[in-house]
Amino acid sequence: NAGVTQTPKFQVLKTGQSMTLQCAQDMNHEYMSWYRQDPGMGLRLIHYSVGAGITDQGEVPNGYNVSRSTTEDFPLRLLSAAPSQTSVYFCASNSWGQGAPGANVLTFGAGSRLTVL
Amino acid sequence: TQLLEQSPQFLSIQEGENLTVYCNSSSVFSSLQWYRQEPGEGPVLLVTVVTGGEVKKLKRLTFQFGDARKDSSLHITAAQPGDTGLYLCAGGALVLGAGGTSYGKLTFGQGTILTVHP
Repeated sequence: NAGVTQTPKFQVLKTGQSMTLQCAQDMNHEYMSWYRQDPGMGLRLIHYSVGAGITDQGEVPNGYNVSRSTTEDFPLRLLSAAPSQTSVYFCASNSWGQGAPGANVLTFGAGSRLTVL
Repeated sequence: TQLLEQSPQFLSIQEGENLTVYCNSSSVFSSLQWYRQEPGEGPVLLVTVVTGGEVKKLKRLTFQFGDARKDSSLHITAAQPGDTGLYLCAGGALVLGAGGTSYGKLTFGQGTILTVHP
């Protein structure tokens, strides 16, 4: 039972480089999301998806792109990395995307630590 | 913008002591969740409370949702070294995204780093 799998675990980039953080879930969840975690700032929502082919912006979407071609996968792309994007990134999924907030229970991946020099 | 202020930010106590972590907001939330996160791992849900005034107990942990659904607290009795970790509160609300889809948004507090010394 893998749950939510993120790769890579660690990555170092130079300013201006591009990369993709991979996220896959095997729970057949409709709703998937990407958060970044920075010290003293909790978790902030970058992008989310309520199903295959449907994505939308969260609180801090600038500099990031997403796509959702399958239910299982939700990659996060950094087109031109900046030092401000140094952070720990978490992918999460839950069973529905438009239901009652009270049942919006997220299953998180183990995180991807990104450093941009 | 909904904000959740979590306090204290750091807590260092001895095994056997009691502690309380607070989560406060000026906004009303439909639900309030508490997560625990260990180093190198993602947050794991501890509890969800959805009714104002609701109290839930999970072994030595007691969670309370304020009557007005603007605040919550986490109380740990007789803390143990295994309780060490980052505790996050998260308020839930249904919002409309920029692209027109709605989703159950979670607003996270800044977190409380708890260290319990043997």
